[in-house]
Amino acid sequence: EPEVTQTPSHQVTQMGQEVILRCVPISNHLYFYWYRQILGQKVEFLVSFYNNEISEKSEIFDDQFSVERPDGSNFTLKIRSTKLEDSAMYFCASRSQDRASTNEKLFFGSGTQLSVL
Amino acid sequence: LAKTTQPISMDSYEGQEVNITCSHNNIATNDYITWYQQFPSQGPRFIIQGYKTKVTNEVASLFIPADRKSSTLSLPRVSLSDTAVYYCLVGRLIPRDDKIIFGKGTRLHILP
Repeated sequence: EPEVTQTPSHQVTQMGQEVILRCVPISNHLYFYWYRQILGQKVEFLVSFYNNEISEKSEIFDDQFSVERPDGSNFTLKIRSTKLEDSAMYFCASRSQDRASTNEKLFFGSGTQLSVL
Repeated sequence: LAKTTQPISMDSYEGQEVNITCSHNNIATNDYITWYQQFPSQGPRFIIQGYKTKVTNEVASLFIPADRKSSTLSLPRVSLSDTAVYYCLVGRLIPRDDKIIFGKGTRLHILP
């Protein structure tokens, strides 16, 4: 089965530093997502991305966050100035279907564990 | 977005059938129901999706009554490896809702 790939699997950074989390979605997918999960808590929606622009974002996704699809294969999440509370597992997901489809199946990567010290 | 309510946790034994019910009283006509499974330190994994009546795949069945205000995920003959968190999601069918929200899920623990 095709996979969403995330790198690195673990990232440790100092508070105030910038981090970039990288994802390679499944190749024919059109919709891309970032989620995060703080240890022991639920999976939280951050942002969705389609046609080179953000389609939805949550209140968590403030000016410190940005997403980019710099080429035809990568999808990145940048946190400009990390805070202690940004420590979490960050999941990338992708989906293939167009807006008229009834198939909502998201494929998730295995995540990047971000630790902010 | 339709709010969903699931039990926080459930225990069952190997070989048993497990049914997890999700309430979604304010589900809209254009909403569909999707279930995901999450193992520790992994991303959620799609299990099954439906709109009404019954859907079955190689992993599970999904039962949706006529009023669609609830749904039940049925896992036949569970094993220890089915220990995971199970999420019920309700989302708009057309046009697709790109803000796909996960609730707190049900933590299923399978005992030997």
